[in-house]
Amino acid sequence: AQSVAQPEDQVNVAEGNPLTVKCTYSVSGNPYLFWYVQYPNRGLQFLLKYITGDNLVKGSYGFEAEFNKSQTSFHLKKPSALVSDSALYFCAVRDSGGYQKVTFGTGTKLQVIP
Amino acid sequence: ETGVTQTPRHLVMGMTNKKSLKCEQHLGHNAMYWYKQSAKKPLELMFVYNFKEQTENNSVPSRFSPECPNSSHLFLHLHTLQPEDSALYLCASAQQTNQPQHFGDGTRLSIL
Repeated sequence: AQSVAQPEDQVNVAEGNPLTVKCTYSVSGNPYLFWYVQYPNRGLQFLLKYITGDNLVKGSYGFEAEFNKSQTSFHLKKPSALVSDSALYFCAVRDSGGYQKVTFGTGTKLQVIP
Repeated sequence: ETGVTQTPRHLVMGMTNKKSLKCEQHLGHNAMYWYKQSAKKPLELMFVYNFKEQTENNSVPSRFSPECPNSSHLFLHLHTLQPEDSALYLCASAQQTNQPQHFGDGTRLSIL
């Protein structure tokens, strides 16, 4: 069975500082990994994905994530946080082998403090 | 604008009512999904349709009945719901099941 963990319910960061939102995963094969963001009263929006290739993936709004196979992690990062980045962030995983549904994490609320 | 439109945005219904949620996508995607989002719980996958065929029913109670008449439309028919069914119901679509999903803004459902 596949799973994904987001160990922090909330992350607070000062505007202009770098931010990290953590994600670890478990799959039996090779993972497909995704990050989504959800603003209040909206659906989830896709930020970036890792399928294969370069371990550092760049996505929308200046976000990036690093795939670390040995640590089974896919942490979301941004060099300089904006107040407008405040939202709920979801990590998701699915096994690349065969048909598998996508499993979402519980979400991490990011609060950027002016 | 995500390309996935859900109606209504808000719905209040009694436990004995019958209502339907609608989802429409104009992205030419082949896969469509229903999710349930409750506070402090992981996003719960309910149903998956791929090329109009249901490929996943994640042990959803029969009071929820999906319908996918074509690749652009997805419905969730509701009947005799319980208070614990109050949640945000999200629809999503994807080109293929291993591709990123595009979400609608959801229907906030409240069961009285």
